[in-house]
Amino acid sequence: NAGVTQTPKFQVLKTGQSMTLQCAQDMNHEYMSWYRQDPGMGLRLIHYSVGAGITDQGEVPNGYNVSRSTTEDFPLRLLSAAPSQTSVYFCASRPLTTSAKGYSYEQYFGPGTRLTVT
Amino acid sequence: AQRVTQPEKLLSVFKGAPVELKCNYSYSGSPELFWYVQYSRQRLQLLLRHISRESIKGFTADLNKGETSFHLKKPFAQEEDSAMYYCALRGTLMDSSYKLIFGSGTRLLVRP
Repeated sequence: NAGVTQTPKFQVLKTGQSMTLQCAQDMNHEYMSWYRQDPGMGLRLIHYSVGAGITDQGEVPNGYNVSRSTTEDFPLRLLSAAPSQTSVYFCASRPLTTSAKGYSYEQYFGPGTRLTVT
Repeated sequence: AQRVTQPEKLLSVFKGAPVELKCNYSYSGSPELFWYVQYSRQRLQLLLRHISRESIKGFTADLNKGETSFHLKKPFAQEEDSAMYYCALRGTLMDSSYKLIFGSGTRLLVRP
């Protein structure tokens, strides 16, 4: 299994440009999510999905769109890039089901995409 | 609302010294708590979770519901423990049971 993959690894955009960060997983996980990692602020949840066709907002959704047409893929779109979106972006997935006692399973992370907006 | 607070951005200790990385949380129900670690040039990965009550790489963490804390401890730090550590919370109430929320992270530096 490749696990969670992300492309590209690095990207430089000019203000106002749009782009899509790709995320795919081959573990048949229902739950997928996007985080951004910024110094001093940790990981903040952007959007998440609990299955194909179902998405919801996280802590910092403004400026980002997502869609989930398949179980495997969960792309993140920047509609009009701004310097404030300079960050490292992580995609993650895990099974949505819980154990018999109601506990969740481990969440797996991708390698990250380093985005710079100038 | 779910909230995770890690008050220390950087914790620097000498090899062999005890380590305690602090984590406090805010949640109205009974949460699941986790510690994730990110070593240099590696992916974020799960270190341990409160339900397992086990020691991973010498680290332990106890959930204290009274103090709403989940501090990570190790009695004798090793240089290979140097990494970024994140505390995370998953709510168990219906309106928040999917999201995994992270703290701001603590960088642990173990000096030789």
